[in-house]
Amino acid sequence: DTGVSQNPRHKITKRGQNVTFRCDPISEHNRLYWYRQTLGQGPEFLTYFQNEAQLEKSRLLSDRFSAERPKGSFSTLEIQRTEQGDSAMYLCASSLFDTQYFGPGTRLTVL
Amino acid sequence: DAKTTQPNSMESNEEEPVHLPCNHSTISGTDYIHWYRQLPSQGPEYVIHGLTSNVNNRMASLAIAEDRKSSTLILHRATLRDAAVYYCILRDVKGGSEKLVFGKGTKLTVNP
Repeated sequence: DTGVSQNPRHKITKRGQNVTFRCDPISEHNRLYWYRQTLGQGPEFLTYFQNEAQLEKSRLLSDRFSAERPKGSFSTLEIQRTEQGDSAMYLCASSLFDTQYFGPGTRLTVL
Repeated sequence: DAKTTQPNSMESNEEEPVHLPCNHSTISGTDYIHWYRQLPSQGPEYVIHGLTSNVNNRMASLAIAEDRKSSTLILHRATLRDAAVYYCILRDVKGGSEKLVFGKGTKLTVNP
Protein backbone atom coordinates (compact mmCIF):
# COMPACT_ATOMS: atom_id res chain seq x y z
CA ASP A 1 0.00 0.00 0.00
CA THR A 2 1.52 3.32 -1.03
CA GLY A 3 -0.87 5.61 0.82
CA VAL A 4 -0.11 7.94 3.71
CA SER A 5 0.76 6.02 6.85
CA GLN A 6 0.62 7.21 10.44
CA ASN A 7 2.01 5.69 13.59
CA PRO A 8 0.90 4.90 16.14
CA ARG A 9 -2.78 4.50 15.28
CA HIS A 10 -3.79 4.92 18.91
CA LYS A 11 -2.03 6.54 21.84
CA ILE A 12 -3.22 6.75 25.44
CA THR A 13 -1.21 8.96 27.71
CA LYS A 14 -1.48 10.68 31.06
CA ARG A 15 -1.84 14.41 31.39
CA GLY A 16 1.53 16.11 31.43
CA GLN A 17 3.35 13.49 29.35
CA ASN A 18 4.94 14.19 25.97
CA VAL A 19 3.82 12.31 22.87
CA THR A 20 5.19 12.09 19.34
CA PHE A 21 3.39 10.98 16.22
CA ARG A 22 4.91 10.04 12.89
CA CYS A 23 3.57 10.52 9.38
CA ASP A 24 5.01 8.93 6.24
CA PRO A 25 3.61 10.67 3.16
CA ILE A 26 3.11 9.23 -0.28
CA SER A 27 6.50 8.91 -1.90
CA GLU A 28 7.56 12.02 -3.83
CA HIS A 29 4.79 14.19 -2.39
CA ASN A 30 6.53 17.42 -1.48
CA ARG A 31 3.67 18.87 0.58
CA LEU A 32 2.67 17.56 3.99
CA TYR A 33 -0.11 18.72 6.29
CA TRP A 34 -1.24 18.08 9.84
CA TYR A 35 -4.86 18.43 10.95
CA ARG A 36 -6.68 17.76 14.20
CA GLN A 37 -10.21 16.43 14.46
CA THR A 38 -12.41 16.27 17.54
CA LEU A 39 -15.61 14.28 17.79
CA GLY A 40 -18.41 15.58 15.61
CA GLN A 41 -16.28 18.25 13.99
CA GLY A 42 -14.48 18.50 10.67
CA PRO A 43 -10.68 18.41 10.63
CA GLU A 44 -8.89 21.62 11.62
CA PHE A 45 -5.65 22.65 9.97
CA LEU A 46 -2.55 22.74 12.16
CA THR A 47 0.48 23.16 9.92
CA TYR A 48 1.90 22.66 6.42
CA PHE A 49 5.33 21.78 5.04
CA GLN A 50 6.68 22.13 1.56
CA ASN A 51 9.67 19.81 1.47
CA GLU A 52 11.43 20.47 4.81
CA ALA A 53 10.19 24.05 5.19
CA GLN A 54 7.28 24.72 7.53
CA LEU A 55 5.39 27.37 5.61
CA GLU A 56 2.13 27.77 7.48
CA LYS A 57 1.04 27.33 11.08
CA SER A 58 -2.39 27.68 12.60
CA ARG A 59 -2.99 29.64 15.77
CA LEU A 60 -4.22 26.29 17.11
CA LEU A 61 -0.60 25.18 17.16
CA SER A 62 0.35 26.39 20.63
CA ASP A 63 3.95 26.44 21.83
CA ARG A 64 3.42 22.96 23.28
CA PHE A 65 3.13 21.63 19.74
CA SER A 66 6.06 21.24 17.39
CA ALA A 67 6.23 19.66 13.98
CA GLU A 68 9.25 18.76 11.92
CA ARG A 69 10.01 17.34 8.52
CA PRO A 70 13.78 17.13 8.66
CA LYS A 71 14.60 15.62 5.28
CA GLY A 72 11.47 16.53 3.41
CA SER A 73 10.12 13.02 3.72
CA PHE A 74 8.46 11.81 6.93
CA SER A 75 7.18 14.23 9.54
CA THR A 76 6.75 14.15 13.31
CA LEU A 77 4.28 16.02 15.47
CA GLU A 78 5.20 16.34 19.15
CA ILE A 79 2.91 17.52 21.90
CA GLN A 80 4.59 18.44 25.16
CA ARG A 81 2.87 18.46 28.54
CA THR A 82 -0.33 17.01 27.13
CA GLU A 83 -3.67 18.28 28.38
CA GLN A 84 -7.06 16.58 28.29
CA GLY A 85 -8.12 19.07 25.62
CA ASP A 86 -5.48 17.60 23.31
CA SER A 87 -7.53 14.41 23.01
CA ALA A 88 -8.40 14.18 19.34
CA MET A 89 -7.64 12.43 16.07
CA TYR A 90 -4.46 13.78 14.48
CA LEU A 91 -4.53 13.48 10.71
CA CYS A 92 -1.68 13.78 8.28
CA ALA A 93 -2.09 14.44 4.56
CA SER A 94 0.28 14.81 1.64
CA SER A 95 -0.01 16.21 -1.85
CA LEU A 96 1.95 16.83 -4.99
CA PHE A 97 -0.48 19.27 -6.53
CA ASP A 98 -3.98 20.19 -5.46
CA THR A 99 -5.48 17.01 -4.03
CA GLN A 100 -4.62 16.11 -0.45
CA TYR A 101 -4.38 12.43 0.45
CA PHE A 102 -5.05 11.67 4.08
CA GLY A 103 -3.71 8.97 6.34
CA PRO A 104 -5.86 7.00 8.78
CA GLY A 105 -4.95 9.24 11.69
CA THR A 106 -3.58 8.79 15.20
CA ARG A 107 -6.18 8.84 17.93
CA LEU A 108 -4.83 10.46 21.09
CA THR A 109 -6.52 10.01 24.44
CA VAL A 110 -5.19 12.04 27.34
CA LEU A 111 -6.29 10.74 30.74
CA ASP B 1 -11.83 31.85 4.58
CA ALA B 2 -14.90 31.71 2.39
CA LYS B 3 -17.64 29.72 4.09
CA THR B 4 -19.88 26.93 2.91
CA THR B 5 -23.25 25.82 4.24
CA GLN B 6 -24.39 22.21 4.08
CA PRO B 7 -27.30 20.30 5.62
CA ASN B 8 -26.27 18.42 8.74
CA SER B 9 -27.61 15.11 7.47
CA MET B 10 -29.28 13.41 4.54
CA GLU B 11 -30.68 9.99 3.94
CA SER B 12 -30.85 7.91 0.80
CA ASN B 13 -31.76 4.45 -0.34
CA GLU B 14 -29.28 2.09 -1.88
CA GLU B 15 -29.00 2.28 -5.68
CA GLU B 16 -30.81 5.61 -5.83
CA PRO B 17 -29.17 8.90 -6.84
CA VAL B 18 -28.13 11.31 -4.10
CA HIS B 19 -27.85 15.07 -4.47
CA LEU B 20 -25.79 16.73 -1.75
CA PRO B 21 -26.18 20.54 -1.78
CA CYS B 22 -23.67 23.18 -0.75
CA ASN B 23 -24.19 26.94 -0.55
CA HIS B 24 -21.23 29.27 -0.90
CA SER B 25 -22.67 32.71 -1.49
CA THR B 26 -19.40 34.53 -0.70
CA ILE B 27 -17.32 32.54 -3.19
CA SER B 28 -14.64 34.53 -5.00
CA GLY B 29 -13.59 34.22 -8.60
CA THR B 30 -10.47 32.26 -7.74
CA ASP B 31 -12.10 29.79 -5.34
CA TYR B 32 -12.21 26.18 -6.46
CA ILE B 33 -15.00 24.02 -5.03
CA HIS B 34 -13.66 20.80 -3.53
CA TRP B 35 -15.54 17.85 -2.10
CA TYR B 36 -14.03 15.36 0.30
CA ARG B 37 -15.73 12.59 2.20
CA GLN B 38 -14.84 10.79 5.41
CA LEU B 39 -15.91 7.23 5.98
CA PRO B 40 -16.23 6.05 9.58
CA SER B 41 -12.87 5.64 11.32
CA GLN B 42 -10.91 6.82 8.26
CA GLY B 43 -9.20 9.99 7.12
CA PRO B 44 -10.93 12.22 4.57
CA GLU B 45 -10.88 11.14 0.94
CA TYR B 46 -10.89 13.39 -2.11
CA VAL B 47 -14.03 13.11 -4.23
CA ILE B 48 -14.05 15.81 -6.88
CA HIS B 49 -13.39 19.49 -7.51
CA GLY B 50 -14.27 22.18 -10.04
CA LEU B 51 -14.17 25.88 -10.79
CA THR B 52 -17.02 26.83 -13.13
CA SER B 53 -18.01 23.93 -15.34
CA ASN B 54 -19.71 20.75 -14.23
CA VAL B 55 -17.27 17.93 -13.59
CA ASN B 56 -17.55 14.15 -13.71
CA ASN B 57 -15.28 11.41 -12.47
CA ARG B 58 -15.71 7.77 -11.59
CA MET B 59 -16.87 8.58 -8.07
CA ALA B 60 -19.33 11.40 -8.60
CA SER B 61 -20.48 14.44 -10.55
CA LEU B 62 -20.24 18.06 -9.48
CA ALA B 63 -22.89 20.47 -10.70
CA ILE B 64 -21.98 24.13 -10.22
CA ALA B 65 -24.61 26.86 -10.44
CA GLU B 66 -24.12 29.50 -13.09
CA ASP B 67 -23.52 32.20 -10.47
CA ARG B 68 -21.26 29.79 -8.54
CA LYS B 69 -23.04 30.55 -5.29
CA SER B 70 -24.04 26.93 -4.87
CA SER B 71 -23.04 23.48 -6.02
CA THR B 72 -24.35 19.93 -5.80
CA LEU B 73 -22.44 16.71 -5.44
CA ILE B 74 -24.23 13.91 -7.24
CA LEU B 75 -23.75 10.25 -6.44
CA HIS B 76 -25.47 8.50 -9.30
CA ARG B 77 -26.23 5.24 -7.52
CA ALA B 78 -25.64 5.24 -3.79
CA THR B 79 -24.17 2.14 -2.21
CA LEU B 80 -23.80 1.27 1.45
CA ARG B 81 -20.10 2.13 1.08
CA ASP B 82 -21.05 5.73 0.29
CA ALA B 83 -22.27 6.28 3.84
CA ALA B 84 -19.93 9.00 5.07
CA VAL B 85 -19.63 12.65 6.03
CA TYR B 86 -19.32 14.78 2.90
CA TYR B 87 -17.45 18.08 3.09
CA CYS B 88 -17.78 20.96 0.63
CA ILE B 89 -14.67 23.17 0.78
CA LEU B 90 -13.57 26.30 -1.04
CA ARG B 91 -9.92 26.68 -1.91
CA ASP B 92 -8.49 29.96 -3.16
CA VAL B 93 -5.61 28.95 -5.37
CA LYS B 94 -4.27 32.48 -5.42
CA GLY B 95 -4.68 33.05 -1.68
CA GLY B 96 -1.32 31.57 -0.82
CA SER B 97 -2.76 29.17 1.74
CA GLU B 98 -2.57 25.45 1.18
CA LYS B 99 -4.93 24.48 3.97
CA LEU B 100 -8.35 22.91 3.61
CA VAL B 101 -10.99 24.53 5.81
CA PHE B 102 -13.54 21.88 6.75
CA GLY B 103 -16.99 22.63 8.12
CA LYS B 104 -19.15 20.01 9.81
CA GLY B 105 -20.22 18.50 6.50
CA THR B 106 -23.28 16.44 5.65
CA LYS B 107 -23.65 13.02 7.17
CA LEU B 108 -25.09 10.74 4.51
CA THR B 109 -26.95 7.64 5.61
CA VAL B 110 -27.65 5.01 2.96
CA ASN B 111 -30.47 2.60 3.69
CA PRO B 112 -30.39 -0.93 2.24
